[in-house]
Amino acid sequence: AQKITQTQPGMFVQEKEAVTLDCTYDTSDPSYGLFWYKQPSSGEMIFLIYQGSYDQQNATEGRYSLNFQKARKSANLVISASQLGDSAMYFCAMRELQAGNNRKLIWGLGTSLAVNP
Amino acid sequence: DVKVTQSSRYLVKRTGEKVFLECVQDMDHENMFWYRQDPGLGLRLIYFSYDVKMKEKGDIPEGYSVSREKKERFSLILESASTNQTSMYLCASGPRAGYTFGSGTRLTVV
Repeated sequence: AQKITQTQPGMFVQEKEAVTLDCTYDTSDPSYGLFWYKQPSSGEMIFLIYQGSYDQQNATEGRYSLNFQKARKSANLVISASQLGDSAMYFCAMRELQAGNNRKLIWGLGTSLAVNP
Repeated sequence: DVKVTQSSRYLVKRTGEKVFLECVQDMDHENMFWYRQDPGLGLRLIYFSYDVKMKEKGDIPEGYSVSREKKERFSLILESASTNQTSMYLCASGPRAGYTFGSGTRLTVV
């Protein structure tokens, strides 16, 4: 069973508007971390934001925030005030911290975001 | 800032050649990873290493081997390159919380 699901293969947003990229996850591990990465067309994978399963508040990093709903097992990325440079692939990933092999990241298939001028 | 450097941005090799992909990180990280990325398949873990000379198979190790003789360097080896190994290869390193990636190597096997 897929552990990280990103249901939106592609998204469009108008410049300066906010956009939400969906991510749901599945784990029985009580301790885990959730990550979002950005991959522009150049290919480099850029770390954006991290949320720990025990964190009380939603993570924020500049224009990025993570809407963490633990009961629903969702970790949606919100990008506020979209910019043209936000056009990229976005990946959600999870790390199960108590699992025997806890160094691995489990990846979603990504969402392609296009920001229109 | 942490730097993860992959030796080649683009590489073209012939079928049957032995191919070395090099990755170097400058932050004394214990964990290093090799992924391949293919359209529609996402990122798939080939091998990872959690210490010098220590390695573990990922999800798709067949046709690959790795070497970690020094902490900062993690090499991916294609023993006999095949056309189905044409892909984007990404190296990552990091502490427990998150990982930093290199800029990737686009390998084409002809």
